[in-house]
Amino acid sequence: DAKTTQPPSMDCAEGRAANLPCNHSTISGNEYVYWYRQIHSQGPQYIIHGLKNNETNEMASLIITEDRKSSTLILPHATLRDTAVYYCIVRSKTSYDKVIFGPGTSLSVIP
Amino acid sequence: SAVISQKPSRDICQRGTSLTIQCQVDSQVTMMFWYRQQPGQSLTLIATANQGSEATYESGFVIDKFPISRPNLTFSTLTVSNMSPEDSSIYLCSVVVAPPLNTDTEAFFGQGTRLTVV
Repeated sequence: DAKTTQPPSMDCAEGRAANLPCNHSTISGNEYVYWYRQIHSQGPQYIIHGLKNNETNEMASLIITEDRKSSTLILPHATLRDTAVYYCIVRSKTSYDKVIFGPGTSLSVIP
Repeated sequence: SAVISQKPSRDICQRGTSLTIQCQVDSQVTMMFWYRQQPGQSLTLIATANQGSEATYESGFVIDKFPISRPNLTFSTLTVSNMSPEDSSIYLCSVVVAPPLNTDTEAFFGQGTRLTVV
């Protein structure tokens, strides 16, 4: 079973920040939080990952709580192309094991 | 990174027939996986494709229905056998790799094969 829980769906106005929450209360010490997204009819695409510090790249920011039991993916200026299903996953950074997906959050960016 | 090519990208098949999906990776990889994504659902792991030995199937998936081949470290096939409309899904290939001189692994996914069974 997936180790994360996410809201099934969210809406966001175009140009506004999209904040996608994820709970991972059973995360272990060596597990990282990864985010992927799946745009319709495509394979999942890596967005960002982190251990305990906040991370930022050209796509998004990741805020992880101090106790590491939850995190938030932030898309700072959502566009219509960000409409997708977003998956929060926990896994070891050095693991070659399979990736287990939960239901994810379906984000709709509205004009 | 790893570039994954899946063929075919989509197909419409008659019930009772079989379809073989190919997954080609641009580099040698140890771990390859096959997923199914039913309409409106998340990805579900079918099996781990092991090079040189039988695939490892997840609960609910059997070799007779989803035979998998892994002849080398860059290629794998998934066959959907004796298809029924319930097999209509997207089937995705995935690999987990580490860049050279790096222990950090990354997961990559193909674009999927959209299968419709009529």
